[in-house]
Amino acid sequence: EDQVTQSPEALRLQEGESSSLNCSYTVSGLRGLFWYRQDPGKGPEFLFTLYSAGEEKEKERLKATLTKKESFLHITAPKPEDSATYLCAVEDTGRRALTFGSGTRLQVQP
Amino acid sequence: NAGVTQTPKFRILKIGQSMTLQCTQDMNHNYMYWYRQDPGMGLKLIYYSVGAGITDKGEVPNGYNVSRSTTEDFPLRLELAAPSQTSVYFCASRGTARLNEQYFGPGTRLTVT
Repeated sequence: EDQVTQSPEALRLQEGESSSLNCSYTVSGLRGLFWYRQDPGKGPEFLFTLYSAGEEKEKERLKATLTKKESFLHITAPKPEDSATYLCAVEDTGRRALTFGSGTRLQVQP
Repeated sequence: NAGVTQTPKFRILKIGQSMTLQCTQDMNHNYMYWYRQDPGMGLKLIYYSVGAGITDKGEVPNGYNVSRSTTEDFPLRLELAAPSQTSVYFCASRGTARLNEQYFGPGTRLTVT
């Protein structure tokens, strides 16, 4: 059974204070790892897909990395508009569906 | 291009009532999904479909039914609603290319009392 664990559950940062969110996963065969952003009262919004260990992707202040057991979402010099819940999900080679973690609620204070 | 649309946005049901949550996508995606999200939790897969006429169970299918008669529509049926089905329901779709991302609808907030 696929499992995804995200930490911390919640994170409060000051504007400009960089940090990282962790996503640990267990799958029988990894097809891909996904990061989504979710704002309150809305559906998840796609950020990144990572395919293989060592891969990195960047978008504005966000950078996602992948190893064989975990992924990190690095946030550099965050702004209040980066406040959201960040969800990690994996797709294994057995089916075309995602298994999600519980998310990290990020709050960036001005 | 509206993407994934869901109706209704909000609904309150009494225990034992039934209802259908509607989901439509206009991106010609073959894959469609239904998730539920409880407060402070991630998304749990209820059912999914890889094309018209084909559906399969996810992690939490009990108490729900689905059908997929067209590529665009993937309704979720709740029979005999129970308080445990109080949740936010999200529909999603994706294309068939390798590792296409899923596009999510805005959600339906359901309360069963």
